[in-house]
Amino acid sequence: SQQGEEDPQALSIQEGENATMNCSYKTSINNLQWYRQNSGRGLVHLILIRSNEREKHSGRLRVTLDTSKKSSSLLITASRAADTASYFCATGRLRDDKIIFGKGTRLHILP
Amino acid sequence: ETGVTQSPTHLIKTRGQQVTLRCSSQSGHNTVSWYQQALGQGPQFIFQYYREEENGRGNFPPRFSGLQFPNYSSELNVNALELDDSALYLCASSLRLAGGGVDEQFFGPGTRLTVL
Repeated sequence: SQQGEEDPQALSIQEGENATMNCSYKTSINNLQWYRQNSGRGLVHLILIRSNEREKHSGRLRVTLDTSKKSSSLLITASRAADTASYFCATGRLRDDKIIFGKGTRLHILP
Repeated sequence: ETGVTQSPTHLIKTRGQQVTLRCSSQSGHNTVSWYQQALGQGPQFIFQYYREEENGRGNFPPRFSGLQFPNYSSELNVNALELDDSALYLCASSLRLAGGGVDEQFFGPGTRLTVL
């Protein structure tokens, strides 16, 4: 498979709690991006982290990147009902610029 | 709203037919990528076009082909449709980075293709 891996596959948490999703990949990358998708619609870009960066913040989002372990994590703090969606990581492969998406984490925020 | 549009939104074809999907990129973007997304799966990279030339291709057969036009609009063509081609097809526009790779991608809403 050309896809990376996110875990967990599904996550249900109470509103207000923090949600953490992880992504692992296989080859050297230019950058790694996280996307959100609601109900099979188009993807929305959340954050991009470059291969020479280790951590990045955007509002309630915090992304980390560990290139030695070929892994990244997305933390959503103080979750809201509107955060219910599927979250995907996408890596830009260094050797051929192919963009590889994981299978996604389905996040459900309980009221 | 990303400024990336796709047409049509839905399409039903029969096995063996040919289909053309269209994408209009965000103004100023020079790269367009196409993805196939099966139900419950992540998007699979089909190919990417940069300045009207194919620049990277995923594991898709040659019956998947594309074009990028000078105004950065793009087409995805699929010949000899198979049942497994039923999926959501997404295009994404972006800017190529000087150091390699692309910046954040802006996705269109997708075309839902059903092959009967």
